[in-house]
Order: sequence, then structure tokens, then C-alpha cells
Amino acid sequence: KNQVEQSPQSLIILEGKNCTLQCNYTVSPFSNLRWYKQDTGRGPVSLTIMTFSENTKSNGRYTATLDADTKQSSLHITASQLSDSASYICVVSENNQGGKLIFGQGTELSVKP
Amino acid sequence: EPEVTQTPSHQVTQMGQEVILRCVPISNHLYFYWYRQILGQKVEFLVSFYNNEISEKSEIFDDQFSVERPDGSNFTLKIRSTKLEDSAMYFCASSRSNSPLHFGNGTRLTVT
Repeated sequence: KNQVEQSPQSLIILEGKNCTLQCNYTVSPFSNLRWYKQDTGRGPVSLTIMTFSENTKSNGRYTATLDADTKQSSLHITASQLSDSASYICVVSENNQGGKLIFGQGTELSVKP
Repeated sequence: EPEVTQTPSHQVTQMGQEVILRCVPISNHLYFYWYRQILGQKVEFLVSFYNNEISEKSEIFDDQFSVERPDGSNFTLKIRSTKLEDSAMYFCASSRSNSPLHFGNGTRLTVT
């Protein structure tokens, strides 16, 4: 069964610190992997999207990595800010249209002052 | 920046009633989607829509559900006879071809 698993489930860090979130997937076929940020009560917002051939992609303080051989991805957040507090969701797409996305449970990140 | 807008933000309905959730996708997008998120659970795919027809749907999207693009701007999700287990946050999304999906802020549906 196609699955996306994330760890840790939740994480508390101090403002200014870095953190890394993990994602393992068993989705096949695989088209691309996305990281989304979801604030409470809001829709998910895209952070990065990586295809099979991409190993790393950055978006400001967010850097995502992808190892398609081991089916693992990580999201590294540098110099965290209070506004980074949110759920970070790993999402995998089976096809190029990107419609049927398979979502992970998310990692709930809390950044404390 | 253009946004996907959804109305209402919160809908309360009685079991067995019909509801229509409304979405206005981003204007130059061609692909439209509905997802739902039951409280505390993962976001789940319901249906994708392209060129005025359903292109893919999940097992969740049974005969009680239907989608429509009644005009050039709106995209609706109808649930014919709501059940308690339909209570969830329903997200509409849109995209151009192989690009990130843009999600709306959701409609929270509460079935009592």
C-alpha cells in the first residue's frame, strides 16, 4: 500500500535553532515529492517540489533533500523563527498531473522564544 | 498573489441533508481538486477534475459525492446525503499542469 510516514510526530525547538524533519515513502510509481507547510486552520502551502532526479532543493531557510533509492526525504529548517510553528507535511505524487497526492501525517513543529 | 477561495468557511448540517461546498480556483489554472482532512488525520485525496470531467477519484468519492464546474469560475463539491463521518475539513486546490497545488483555506463541515 502506498504510504508516506513522517518523523518525528512533533518537535519543539528554540527560536534561532535548526531542525530536520524526516519522511519515508513507499509510493510507487513515483513522480515527485513535495513539502507543504500548514498553519492551523489554513490550507497547505507548497514549500518545495522535487522530481526523481533532484537530490536537494532550497527555498529560503528551507532545504529539502531526496534519496529516491532509499525513498527518503528530509526538510531542514535553518535559523527557525516563531512563524515557522506549523505542521510540515511530506506529500508524494504518483503521476505527473500531481492530482492524487499522498499525504504524510505531518510533523507538528513548535518554535519557542 | 492569486488565491483559491472557499465558501463557506464553516458549514453545519444535519445528517441526511445535502451540502454544497464552493470554491473559486485561481483563474488561469486548469486542474481542480478536492481533498478532505478528518480532525487529527492525514489529508486525503477525493477527486481531480480537468477539462470538465473527473480525471481521477478515490475510494472515498462514492455516489454520494459529485463535483461540478457550473461556470467559468466556480468549482463545487456536493454531498447528497451527509453522514456523521463526513465531518471534516474540505480543501479545494487548483494547479496548472505539473505545478504545485494551491490550496484554499478549507470549509469545515460539521454533520450533526
